[in-house]
Amino acid sequence: ETGVTQSPTHLIKTRGQQVTLRCSSQSGHNTVSWYQQALGQGPQFIFQYYREEENGRGNFPPRFSGLQFPNYSSELNVNALELDDSALYLCASSFSGEYQETQYFGPGTRLLVL
Amino acid sequence: AQTVTQSQPEMSVQEAETVTLSCTYDTSESDYYLFWYKQPPSRQMILVIRQEAYKQQNATENRFSVNFQKAAKSFSLKISDSQLGDAAMYFCAYSGRGSNYKLTFGKGTLLTVNP
Repeated sequence: ETGVTQSPTHLIKTRGQQVTLRCSSQSGHNTVSWYQQALGQGPQFIFQYYREEENGRGNFPPRFSGLQFPNYSSELNVNALELDDSALYLCASSFSGEYQETQYFGPGTRLLVL
Repeated sequence: AQTVTQSQPEMSVQEAETVTLSCTYDTSESDYYLFWYKQPPSRQMILVIRQEAYKQQNATENRFSVNFQKAAKSFSLKISDSQLGDAAMYFCAYSGRGSNYKLTFGKGTLLTVNP
């Protein structure tokens, strides 16, 4: 059974640029959630995708957007990067049926915005 | 909105001893889950233990156990026979049906294990 994978592991961008982060969900999972973890803080929920549609969103501006593909993998896109977007971005997958089961995390993508 | 509070920014324990990490939460939901995740320096968030709110019995996973006090909205983690590999940041997290099961995390407790 393959776990959650994310790419790239590290990324350096400059302010104003755009970035795309990728996540492959664990086998058998149909839901992907994205979290932003600033240094020294707990992760903050960005949004969740289920059946290729956004299924809940945290307090993040519209320049944070995402996609989920038919194979349940997902992308997180951030436009007009700001210095405060520097963080660890975590993807978590889970199975949603009658209720949502436990979320399992990938290793994260460390984004640095200069 | 749900909130999770971890009042201990740092804790330390001697190898082979027992340590308890504290967590309190606030919610008006009745259907929810609580978790402890561990994040070592490698940064991967690893599930330690999960508790369903409707279950009165405290969850256990080998050396890890919880003390779930629903009325007090308290959810502490006990680590027995601490090992050097237990050193990490520990996050308490809440997930509820009413919020599409998004995870709400506390700020974390950094656990140091001394040899």
